Amino acid sequence: QVQLVQSGAEVKKPGASVKVSCKTSGYTFSSYDINWVRQATGQGLEWMGWMNPNSGSTGYAQKFQGRITLTRNTSIGTAYMELTSLTSEDTAVYYCARDRQDYSGSTFIDFWGQGTLVTVSS
Amino acid sequence: DIQMTQSPSSLSAFVGDRITITCRASQYISNSLAWYQQKPGKAPKLLVYAASRLESGVPSRFSGGGSGTAYSLTINSLQPEDLATYYCQQYFGTPRAFGGGTKVEI
Repeated sequence: QVQLVQSGAEVKKPGASVKVSCKTSGYTFSSYDINWVRQATGQGLEWMGWMNPNSGSTGYAQKFQGRITLTRNTSIGTAYMELTSLTSEDTAVYYCARDRQDYSGSTFIDFWGQGTLVTVSS
Repeated sequence: DIQMTQSPSSLSAFVGDRITITCRASQYISNSLAWYQQKPGKAPKLLVYAASRLESGVPSRFSGGGSGTAYSLTINSLQPEDLATYYCQQYFGTPRAFGGGTKVEI
């Protein structure tokens, strides 16, 4: 079965960086794009960006441009999200999520990781 | 950027009720819309994609509809386990905006 297992909770100081991993199993890693979505406590979902694991191509929401980097290690089926220059506003649960194509060829999220809580506090 | 406006932000209903949540896009999204259910402390779960296609394993009391810029999620015969927050998301363009969510209380 498809699984996306994320790394554990992190506590960071303002100005620091965080790197969250997302280990996949149950499908061919390079065949499905990976998205990253975050959710502050009690708030809604915020899409951050996507990555094509085959080519390494990425796309980022304007809000995170310059601070976010999505990478992958295809040999171990793992995707990574690094966010730099952290502030308290970045305190949130971060999710990785797999894309799937619908009948028109457009891609949507079908499976989610369990989430990783990142707390930014001095 | 495409904006997604979801309503209501919360609702309270009884077991057995039929409820409808709506999502409006700021521009045409060609049925590229998904609905997700998120229970407290859990990751979201896919319910509907392509506006009206029910994901495998999702109970048939859930249904999606709409076209153009206006979409809806209907839950027929609401069950206690449907207590959750529901989100729409457009995937017609990037950034792939989510609606603000609808919290369903039973």
